[in-house]
Amino acid sequence: DAGITQSPRHKVTETGTPVTLRCHQTENHRYMYWYRQDPGHGLRLIHYSYGVKDTDKGEVSDGYSVSRSKTEDFLLTLESATSSQTSVYFCAISESTGLAKNIQYFGAGTRLSVL
Amino acid sequence: SQKIEQNSEALNIQEGKTATLTCNYTNYSPAYLQWYRQDPGRGPVFLLLIRENEKEKRKERLKVTFDTTLKQSLFHITASQPADSATYLCALGQAGTALIFGKGTTLSVSS
Repeated sequence: DAGITQSPRHKVTETGTPVTLRCHQTENHRYMYWYRQDPGHGLRLIHYSYGVKDTDKGEVSDGYSVSRSKTEDFLLTLESATSSQTSVYFCAISESTGLAKNIQYFGAGTRLSVL
Repeated sequence: SQKIEQNSEALNIQEGKTATLTCNYTNYSPAYLQWYRQDPGRGPVFLLLIRENEKEKRKERLKVTFDTTLKQSLFHITASQPADSATYLCALGQAGTALIFGKGTTLSVSS
C-alpha cells in the first residue's frame, strides 16, 4: 500500500470515548488526507493536511480533529465517539493537488465500530 | 452543489465482454478525472487520469473517455476477466483542490 500504514486496522469502542487513528507514510508526500467510506455514501473527505501543522476541513469534519506534527504522521481524533462514526477510515497521500500530482495513494483502512 | 453519479451500483457481465462504467457530474468543471479500483477490504488504487483537454486515454485493456460537454466519463475494460471484479471509483479534481469521489460501481465478471 505505497508506504502508508494505518493503525489500528480494527477497533471497537464505546460511545463517548476518545479514539485516535494514526496514518504513517514513508513517501515524504506533502499532502495527507482522511476519508470515511460508508455504504451509499462512498468516500467522503474528513480533513486534509498540506504540510506540517497545516490542515483544513473536508466535507464531513464535524466531530473530528486532526494533527500533523511531522511530515510522516497524520492523526485523526474522534473526541467523543458516536455510533454515527462507525465506518471504515482511509488515509491517503499525494505529492500535491496539482493535475498529475494529485494521484492519491491509500492505506489499507481502519474499521471502526462505535457501540 | 457538486454532484457525481456513477451509473449503477452494480454491473454484471460475462468474461470476455467489454465492461462500460459511467461517471456523470453536475455543477462542477473538473480540470481532470481519475479512476480507481477498490478490492474488498483494501484501499482504492489509482488506475488512470485524463485531463479536460483529452478525449481518450488507454492503458492495456483499460480505456477512459472524457466529454466535458456531456459532463461524462466512460471507463471501459475490454476482454474482461473474473480478476477484474472489483469496485471502480471515479474522482474529479481541479488544481489546488481536494478530489471529489463518486460512490463507485461494483463490477462482477462471471466465467
